[in-house]
Amino acid sequence: GQNIDQPTEMTATEGAIVQINCTYQTSGFNGLFWYQQHAGEAPTFLSYNVLDGLEEKGRFSSFLSRSKGYSYLLLKELQMKDSASYLCAVRDKGMTTDSWGKLQFGAGTQVVVTP
Amino acid sequence: DVKVTQSSRYLVKRTGEKVFLECVQDMDHENMFWYRQDPGLGLRLIYFSYDVKMKEKGDIPEGYSVSREKKERFSLILESASTNQTSMYLCASSLVVGGEQYFGPGTRLTVT
Repeated sequence: GQNIDQPTEMTATEGAIVQINCTYQTSGFNGLFWYQQHAGEAPTFLSYNVLDGLEEKGRFSSFLSRSKGYSYLLLKELQMKDSASYLCAVRDKGMTTDSWGKLQFGAGTQVVVTP
Repeated sequence: DVKVTQSSRYLVKRTGEKVFLECVQDMDHENMFWYRQDPGLGLRLIYFSYDVKMKEKGDIPEGYSVSREKKERFSLILESASTNQTSMYLCASSLVVGGEQYFGPGTRLTVT
């Protein structure tokens, strides 16, 4: 199984940069996802990393270090609409059908953007 | 656009009632999932399905069952609802095994 840790809450001002860290311990790693979830809404996909390094997508970037069991999501030029919960999810690399493909989610990081 | 819909946004049931939560996806995805989301615990997988009539237990299947008679529909059943099943229930689907999951809007279930 996996153990996934991310901070509970972060606050930043509009226009700033925020970095959300995610550490994980897993018996078999096969990819890491970041999702955004606004209050009362469904999570939506932001990014996916399976190899080490940085993936950039507009204002959002995600980094992965498999050897350190570590990822971060970087939000640049923060906007008020970025206030949301950000979920880190690790995909299992199971050896049997019943575990491969399952995602284990962290508890989420609530980002509050202030004017 | 992938669309995942859930039968109700809010539901209030009494302890002991049988509860059905329905989920439908319109993109011909093979894989479907049911999660519950609780504050401080994140999303936890209840059951998932890789194909019609196929189901696999997730991390917290106790007290739940599922049904997948058609590819587009995945139902979560609470055989006898209890107050500790009060939660937000989220359905998701994915095209490939282990791929990006698309979530429905969620059903907030309250069991009194």
